[in-house]
Amino acid sequence: AQSVTQLGSHVSVSEGALVLLRCNYSSSVPPYLFWYVQYPNQGLQLLLKYTSAATLVKGINGFEAEFKKSETSFHLTKPSAHMSDAAEYFCAVSGLYSSASKIIFGSGTRLSIRP
Amino acid sequence: SQTIHQWPATLVQPVGSPLSLECTVEGTSNPNLYWYRQAAGRGLQLLFYSVGIGQISSEVPQNLSASRPQDRQFILSSKKLLLSDSGFYLCAWSVPPPGGQAFSYEQYFGPGTRLTVT
Repeated sequence: AQSVTQLGSHVSVSEGALVLLRCNYSSSVPPYLFWYVQYPNQGLQLLLKYTSAATLVKGINGFEAEFKKSETSFHLTKPSAHMSDAAEYFCAVSGLYSSASKIIFGSGTRLSIRP
Repeated sequence: SQTIHQWPATLVQPVGSPLSLECTVEGTSNPNLYWYRQAAGRGLQLLFYSVGIGQISSEVPQNLSASRPQDRQFILSSKKLLLSDSGFYLCAWSVPPPGGQAFSYEQYFGPGTRLTVT
């Protein structure tokens, strides 16, 4: 069964610094992978998705993620953090299930931005 | 374009009272529908999902139930709320994968309902 692990429940960076949020997955075959962002008291918003095309995926708000099969990773990055990036980020994986209707979410990483 | 609505946005209910949360999707047909719950400071917990009218799959045994009376309507209910039912409830939809495809597509979320059981 698929699973996804987000390393670090809380990440804090300075404004203008690199943002790196880590996500590792376990899957017997390359899955579909997603990153979502959640602002306080709001629903989740899709940032980007990997569906077996280009391994470097660009998303909204300047974020991108790289699929590395050898490392089973799909880390999210942004070159320069902005105060508005402060939010909860979820990595998710879709793969081979008995039901093809679900995706599995990681436990989330809270990103804080220091002025 | 597709939109997803949830109501109410916030709800405060006493223990033992009934619950009904509603979710509707516009701009698509035959979506897969999902109910999730987020407890305070916790991740997402999948409660129910539906691949069609009247078809409900339950992920977690509890005092909640779900129904899909129409193609784009998904309802979460309880006959008697518990304190532990407090949380942020999210509805989501996705395009069903083509027949024979094992990978689920991305899900799109509604704005959520904040439920406080007192």
